[in-house]
Amino acid sequence: DAGITQSPRHKVTETGTPVTLRCHQTENHRYMYWYRQDPGHGLRLIHYSYGVKDTDKGEVSDGYSVSRSKTEDFLLTLESATSSQTSVYFCAISESGSHTEAFFGQGTRLTVV
Amino acid sequence: GNSVTQMEGPVTLSEEAFLTINCTYTATGYPSLFWYVQYPGEGLQLLLKATKADDKGSNKGFEATYRKETTSFHLEKGSVQVSDSAVYFCALSDRSGGGADGLTFGKGTHLIIQP
Repeated sequence: DAGITQSPRHKVTETGTPVTLRCHQTENHRYMYWYRQDPGHGLRLIHYSYGVKDTDKGEVSDGYSVSRSKTEDFLLTLESATSSQTSVYFCAISESGSHTEAFFGQGTRLTVV
Repeated sequence: GNSVTQMEGPVTLSEEAFLTINCTYTATGYPSLFWYVQYPGEGLQLLLKATKADDKGSNKGFEATYRKETTSFHLEKGSVQVSDSAVYFCALSDRSGGGADGLTFGKGTHLIIQP
């Protein structure tokens, strides 16, 4: 299995609070991604990174920010959590971009109350 | 923009039945196409892929052929097993329009195989 660890695995937080999710990889892959999974929507791309300090927006980036200060870590921050951000968040990595195989973490279930 | 349409389930079959899950796509360029599978409580795993027209991806008895003329990438398996029960996602990657990297997913098809 690819070495991807997401933390925490479960979190309940209150509306208006900041939340940070962490993705850690041991594969030294250049690309890292954050997706959210919601019923009836499949997975949608939030942000991605193509190198240290190099990030870009995806389809549903509003209300989220990311940082990548080291190759192995990619952080997703919800600046002020809302109930619409209740979801399962998946981190993924790939060696050369999304046309190559992506490896997914086990997901973080976030509930905003 | 890019989009993927796949049949939504649940799809319920008996063991040893033939499986087809339809997938069609819209893309501005020449995408790579994928099928990913998600088992309960886990992340997604790549099942198979195809990178150009007429390519056939195959793995674990599953097959899909990249059909540019019909913009389709249907997943097939000749004889399903209970262990194939999972959610299956069709996805594409297309950067020809200069857009974001990353995959565009369909909504997923929940497959249930009964003994």
